[in-house]
Amino acid sequence: DSGVTQTPKHLITATGQRVTLRCSPRSGDLSVYWYQQSLDQGLQFLIQYYNGEERAKGNILERFSAQQFPDLHSELNLSSLELGDSALYFCASSVGQGTKTNEKLFFGSGTQLSVL
Amino acid sequence: DQQVKQNSPSLSVQEGRISILNCDYTNSMFDYFLWYKKYPAEGPTFLISISSIKDKNEDGRFTVFLNKSAKHLSLHIVPSQPGDSAVYFCAASATDSWGKFQFGAGTQVVVTP
Repeated sequence: DSGVTQTPKHLITATGQRVTLRCSPRSGDLSVYWYQQSLDQGLQFLIQYYNGEERAKGNILERFSAQQFPDLHSELNLSSLELGDSALYFCASSVGQGTKTNEKLFFGSGTQLSVL
Repeated sequence: DQQVKQNSPSLSVQEGRISILNCDYTNSMFDYFLWYKKYPAEGPTFLISISSIKDKNEDGRFTVFLNKSAKHLSLHIVPSQPGDSAVYFCAASATDSWGKFQFGAGTQVVVTP
């Protein structure tokens, strides 16, 4: 158990809808990262938050947004969903900002999103 | 722009033999490299890492080698065990990149009896 909790584990929805994925980091970790894994693709970095503030952005679509709350949990909001958004979405956390060598990411078990 | 590449999507190896997984990167600013292991229905778990100041790091059956001039790293698993059957991801980051860990596409390892 990595200590990172993601809910829900599975989500089935229709095109055009909006969903929210939730992540609770490991106790003591201040950074939360969101990754997307599509079929046969690696883990694509979406966005990072550190202590409530956005720190880094990757290939995140404008239809997607995220935030980190004062209790450090994070939510990833996906709107106007398309078939191509079907993927496994992982949340990860780290103790710091991810800028130091030897800093590791700890991953949750992911949310499988299916857009029909 | 895929900065970390794992060109072998799958690898089959006999139990007891050596598994060698390869990873190439393009960004010369990367200075920290990690390998993660992923079982089905679970998130990736950290396996081993190496800093760019080293060329080898060993942890039990797992050894990672780094060749900076070739921008190449490899993971050796000796001896391979059935429990090693999983997807292995190579990842890289640069110290000042605010935690943008870049991952490869993964290599599926199957260890056969």
